[in-house]
Parts: sequence; C-alpha cells; structure tokens
Amino acid sequence: ETGVTQTPRHLVMGMTNKKSLKCEQHLGHNAMYWYKQSAKKPLELMFVYNFKEQTENNSVPSRFSPECPNSSHLFLHLHTLQPEDSALYLCASSQGAPQVFGVYSNQPQHFGDGTRLSIL
Amino acid sequence: ILNVEQSPQSLHVQEGDSTNFTCSFPSSNFYALHWYRWETAKSPEALFVMTLNGDEKKKGRISATLNTKEGYSYLYIKGSQPEDSATYLCALNVGDMRFGAGTRLTVKP
Repeated sequence: ETGVTQTPRHLVMGMTNKKSLKCEQHLGHNAMYWYKQSAKKPLELMFVYNFKEQTENNSVPSRFSPECPNSSHLFLHLHTLQPEDSALYLCASSQGAPQVFGVYSNQPQHFGDGTRLSIL
Repeated sequence: ILNVEQSPQSLHVQEGDSTNFTCSFPSSNFYALHWYRWETAKSPEALFVMTLNGDEKKKGRISATLNTKEGYSYLYIKGSQPEDSATYLCALNVGDMRFGAGTRLTVKP
C-alpha cells in the first residue's frame, strides 16, 4: 500500500478530449506534486501545492490545469493535449514542500503508481 | 540549469555480486540529496535523504555516501539479489526537486 493513490492507471484520449487525473494521499501530508516522465527522460516537476496553495508552476503549458481542493486531493485537468504529452504522470506527497518562502524541508516524497497517458 | 547525472545508465550483475553507481552534480548549493528505488510497475520508494558532506546512510544491504565537495553520491548494494532489480533515482532539493535519469539495475539469478 503506497498511501498515494492515482486514478486511472491508464488513459487513452484524443487531442480534443477533456479528461482529469486524480490523486489522493492518505498520509496526512501537506504538500502534493505532479511530475511527468517522458520516455528516457528524468522526472520533470510540473506543479507543487503546499497547504492547497500552488507554490510552483514549472512553465507548464496551460493545457494542463491543476486543482487542489484540499491537502489530500490533487487533480490534473487535461484539455486539447498534444501527442508529445504522452507520458507517465506521477503524483507525490510529502510532509513539507522542498522550499516555501525560504524554509526548506528534506522529507522524502511518497509517490503514487502513476497514470500512463497516451494521446492519439 | 542544474543537471543531475547518474551513471551508468544501466547495469547487469549476477546474484551475489556487489555493485555501486554514481550520482553527480555540479554544485554543492542544495539542501539535500535523495535516493529512490523504482521497481517496474510500482511507485518510486524513498531510500535515503542525505544533507551533509561525509554523510553515510545504510538500510540492510544498501548504503549511500555523499561528497558535496567533489559533487557526487555513491549508492552501494552488497550481495545483489534479483529483488534489487529496479531503477535507482537520485534527486537534489534545490528549492524544488531535480531528478537524474536513473540507473537501471538488473540482477540475474
């Protein structure tokens, strides 16, 4: 049991579709993250939320829209995606974000199993 | 841009062999270095968090060292087992997490 649950595990969608990825953490953490992993590339940070507030947007295109209604849930809303957006999307959580207003946390991140997204 | 380099990209060893691989980084200006193990079809799992030059951490047969002055961390696995087969990720906390591409370890029975 990872403590971080992502749904769906696999998603195939057309470029004109709208879909959402869901992440839920049961660990009592206050920071949540979205990462993207494309083939043969390192994990790329997309968004960071700390206490429901977005603290990092790593120059992600607007066709990806995150939502964090509370500290336990994180969504990634997808619309008009491109074929190059096909990747594994990982959600993670931690007790404290890596850095917020100069205060840093070195707590490890706990990851979900990811959503494998394919854009047709 | 801070590049976190991991080498080798992949490694095949026999069961019982000991092995090690490297995480390199160009600057000591980071808050912590993290190691994760990522088995296929599972989620990355935290192994170690290291902050100080000379840090050594150990968990069972796996250990890690950190040298911030020369810009590297080593991960060692003693007496590799097939269940150690995974991709090992290194990440630096520089205010956000910067990951290396990983070392993919395959341990043959």
